[in-house]
Amino acid sequence: GAVVSQHPSWVICKSGTSVKIECRSLDFQATTMFWYRQFPKQSLMLMATSNEGSKATYEQGVEKDKFLINHASLTLSTLTVTSAHPEDSSFYICSSQGTGSPYEQYFGPGTRLTVT
Amino acid sequence: GENVEQHPSTLSVQEGDSAVIKCTYSDSASNYFPWYKQELGKGPQLIIDIRSNVGEKKDQRIAVTLNKTAKHFSLHITETQPEDSAVYFCAGRGSTLGRLYFGRGTQLTVWP
Repeated sequence: GAVVSQHPSWVICKSGTSVKIECRSLDFQATTMFWYRQFPKQSLMLMATSNEGSKATYEQGVEKDKFLINHASLTLSTLTVTSAHPEDSSFYICSSQGTGSPYEQYFGPGTRLTVT
Repeated sequence: GENVEQHPSTLSVQEGDSAVIKCTYSDSASNYFPWYKQELGKGPQLIIDIRSNVGEKKDQRIAVTLNKTAKHFSLHITETQPEDSAVYFCAGRGSTLGRLYFGRGTQLTVWP
């Protein structure tokens, strides 16, 4: 399957600061990338969908001014958690969907965010 | 939107036995159904998928069946091994480039 990387794999930040998470598709061009968050023992919750070169589409209840998504190229998307609070602590996972494989969606390894 | 239900939430089997996880979906327009395996602290890994024009697909010890009339699909793992222990998620998608709708997951434990 295709390879998707995320950086960092884990991050600890202080309340009120911002954190940027990168998602890269390493061996294919991702026209669409998805950002999820996952709480312990729960399913994946879609936060937003981003298409290269256009604004992200956010799911209901997700604050677009707090979770900034940029999909600047076909291989890179970033999620910035602004003014982070302890309740933002979670496991954030991106996934990529390519131009050559319109059906398959491949996930990154995830980023564990802890806000103190 | 699509609603995907997954059962059971936990499943324990003896090594060598088979495991079956079942999912139902609500949107008859859904045409793609992947299964993901997620190990602790890692991202989900696509293990098998099926399109709506196919009734069954097999890859070594893993198989997926789809019943479009009943709107349900199942994951079958034969000859289970301890390394199969993980959380498995089913998902459905209504259009080629649309979002996936996930089930709640099944924690599979394979006892040696």
